[in-house]
Amino acid sequence: DAGVTQSPTHLIKTRGQHVTLRCSPISGHKSVSWYQQVLGQGPQFIFQYYEKEERGRGNFPDRFSARQFPNYSSELNVNALLLGDSALYLCASSPTGMGNQPQHFGDGTRLSIL
Amino acid sequence: AQTVTQSQPEMSVQEAETVTLSCTYDTSENNYYLFWYKQPPSRQMILVIRQEAYKQQNATENRFSVNFQKAAKSFSLKISDSQLGDTAMYFCAFMKGGGATNKLIFGTGTLLAVQP
Repeated sequence: DAGVTQSPTHLIKTRGQHVTLRCSPISGHKSVSWYQQVLGQGPQFIFQYYEKEERGRGNFPDRFSARQFPNYSSELNVNALLLGDSALYLCASSPTGMGNQPQHFGDGTRLSIL
Repeated sequence: AQTVTQSQPEMSVQEAETVTLSCTYDTSENNYYLFWYKQPPSRQMILVIRQEAYKQQNATENRFSVNFQKAAKSFSLKISDSQLGDTAMYFCAFMKGGGATNKLIFGTGTLLAVQP
């Protein structure tokens, strides 16, 4: 079975632009979470979605938004990009999003802001 | 708020030897999970081992084992018979249990280099 897939793998944008990152969970997984990993740091939680509803939101500005589609895939949108948004964005999926189930991560999207 | 601290930014070990990575956490919760994730240069975060806080027995997965000291809020990872493929960034992570979210709180990571 395919694992968590993210696209694109690498993206270069300039300040002020917006970006959309995509994630397809493992087949059968209904929960998707997004994390931001700045170079040299651990991942920081951005959002969790389950059955198209937001279940959790981290401490990120309103420029960050996300949604989940009926097929459980998800998009992360970032508006008005800043240099500090340069990071690896990781998507993780799990069957129901409860703590007793491990999360499976994708390879991430490397976003570079010039 | 929960925090996770990894005090060893980098570690090195010879192939076939044993190494222990440290992790401490802070929480007022009684129901939680602790994890060790491995992130090789390929970037994908891979689950190494998981521990439920209510279980006193330390988790083990082949060459990987943990020393879970709940009172001390310590959760160290021991890698036995280190292999070159173990070279990676290792993250300790905390998850609150019993809630509707599976939000992970990560430490800053320990870069492990296995030397031939």
